[in-house]
Formats: sequence, structure tokens, C-alpha cells
Amino acid sequence: DTAVSQTPKYLVTQMGNDKSIKCEQNLGHDTMYWYKQDSKKFLKIMFSYNNKELIINETVPNRFSPKSPDKAHLNLHINSLELGDSAVYFCASSLQNEQFFGPGTRLTVL
Amino acid sequence: GESVGLHLPTLSVQEGDNSIINCAYSNSASDYFIWYKQESGKGPQFIIDIRSNMDKRQGQRVTVLLNKTVKHLSLQIAATQPGDSAVYFCAENGADSSYKLIFGSGTRLLVRP
Repeated sequence: DTAVSQTPKYLVTQMGNDKSIKCEQNLGHDTMYWYKQDSKKFLKIMFSYNNKELIINETVPNRFSPKSPDKAHLNLHINSLELGDSAVYFCASSLQNEQFFGPGTRLTVL
Repeated sequence: GESVGLHLPTLSVQEGDNSIINCAYSNSASDYFIWYKQESGKGPQFIIDIRSNMDKRQGQRVTVLLNKTVKHLSLQIAATQPGDSAVYFCAENGADSSYKLIFGSGTRLLVRP
């Protein structure tokens, strides 16, 4: 009965690899987000989709590509992973202002 | 690992005391503010929100105060419990998008038994 779920929870990979993180919400929300939380706990928005359309795209390297196959899913694909991509990535969804967060995916790039 | 979280401002309180966590927000045009609690290894969890047409809102054991004059937000937790130990974030919606939340840097609350 998890509202916002992400897979995998942990992801360890080598520099240069390509990886994806998946997110699903069963709340019927129209808007979904990806956030990055760095080692200092700073939480910053990366992307937002509303009804499968991109509405927010912060200054993120184009190695990061979000994809929303439907309203309930927002996946994040990362190409050519770099050491600086190591962080915890959170998916969130909202109907209006309040955003509901997933449990996070801890990405470690070696 | 978790040890780098110690760079966060930390508030240490005795169990049973009241806690006050402060936040300065950046955009005077923001009209929505929200407090989140993040426990270790988990995602942020909603605590309470407030709109700019209010200066105080109360929930269960929590109160949010908004001072628009000095762009200041505070979260008061009554009778703090060990389960309240977490990192607390304030966030504002900014002026350019009602979908976007801009998060503050966070405060770690430690509750001493």
C-alpha cells in the first residue's frame, strides 16, 4: 500500500555506466518530481512532470533524462555516470502543493 | 554516510521540552510554506503547511508561525518525544511556479531521553 515507491533502494555502479531509477505513485496525482539530496542533506528539485508533460527542468546535465510513460510513473535514466552523481534521489508526487516523497534511491558511483 | 549530516545545524532538546526550529526563506513572493520531517534512511514526510494569508497554524503537537515581514518561518513542537528526532526542512513554493518547492538547508533535532 506504499503511496510513492522507488526501485532500486540502493544502486552501486562504476563510472561511465548507464542506469535507471523507477518511480511509481498510486495516489492518483497529476504531478511527479525528481529531487537530488547531496551528502550535506541539501534537497534540490531536478525535474517535474504534470500529466506526462515536462514542466520543470532545473539546470541538470543532459546525461539525466526523465521519462513519464503515464501519469503514475516517472523514471530517471542517467547516462555516463560520474562520481559527482553519487547522492540520494527522491521521487515525489502531488495533487496541489503538498508533495509526497518516496523512500529514496541511494546511488553510489565508484 | 550519515556522519556528514552532523554539518547540519543541530538542536538538542530534553524529552518533554518544547522545540522551536527556525527557517529564513528567500522569496517574498512565496505564498505557500511547508515543513517536512526526514528520518534516517527515509524520504521527507509532511508535517504541516501554511499559506501566506495566515500567520499561524496548529496541528497535533506542532505549530507553524509565519512572519512575512522578516521572511521567517518557525516550527514549534510541543512535548518533544524521542520519535521526533530527525532532520526538519522548511520549503517555499517561490513565485514562478506553484509546482516547485525550494527547500531550506535543514535542521537536525536530537531529543535527549
